[in-house]
Amino acid sequence: QVQLQESGPGLVKPSQTLSLTCTVSDGSIRSGGYYWSWIRQSAGKGLEWIGRISSSGTTNYNPSLKSRVTISIDTSKKQFSLRLSSVTATDTAVYYCARMFRGVADYWGQGALVTVSS
Amino acid sequence: DIQMTQSPSSLSASVGDKVTITCQASQDINNNLNWFQEKPGKAPRLLIYDASNLETGVPSRFSGSGSGTDFTFTISSLQPEDNATYYCQQYDDFLVTFGPGTEVDIK
Repeated sequence: QVQLQESGPGLVKPSQTLSLTCTVSDGSIRSGGYYWSWIRQSAGKGLEWIGRISSSGTTNYNPSLKSRVTISIDTSKKQFSLRLSSVTATDTAVYYCARMFRGVADYWGQGALVTVSS
Repeated sequence: DIQMTQSPSSLSASVGDKVTITCQASQDINNNLNWFQEKPGKAPRLLIYDASNLETGVPSRFSGSGSGTDFTFTISSLQPEDNATYYCQQYDDFLVTFGPGTEVDIK
């Protein structure tokens, strides 16, 4: 079964850009049937969908984050990435990457805690 | 944007009880509704997809129903390992939205 793994810095300074990469274990990232998503959860809060990208590079973003988010994909490396600019303490969260089929997130990474602090 | 509400926000029930959680969408989403279980320190787990389909490997005590704007998630006989937070999640052609979650506590 497919595995996803987030990687990136666990500490980011305020106003800087948060960058995370998700590595997918199999070739499904090259399949046209899936979207590749980023989802986060702040302490004591619920799940928040950040955005998604298809294997062809089509993106959709949460309107509340759209101005600060970029998701990209490199199918040759079996990776997709998240960049969130101008971060503040409210962006401190566990960030998950997930595979989505028609909007159904069937496989998730284990999550990466990112803390925004000086 | 489609907004999701869930009720109750939390509940406490005994082992063996039937538990029901409701989720309402701000507009018609057909059956594009999924249910997740989340436990501390773990990634969310897909339980039900497309409103009523049980994900492979998920115990049959979990079920879902509904379409349009009103959906229901049921645990037919609560087990100790069901102590978790449950989220509904809708999807349309472009966006994904999670409900605020329901904390289920075992008495």
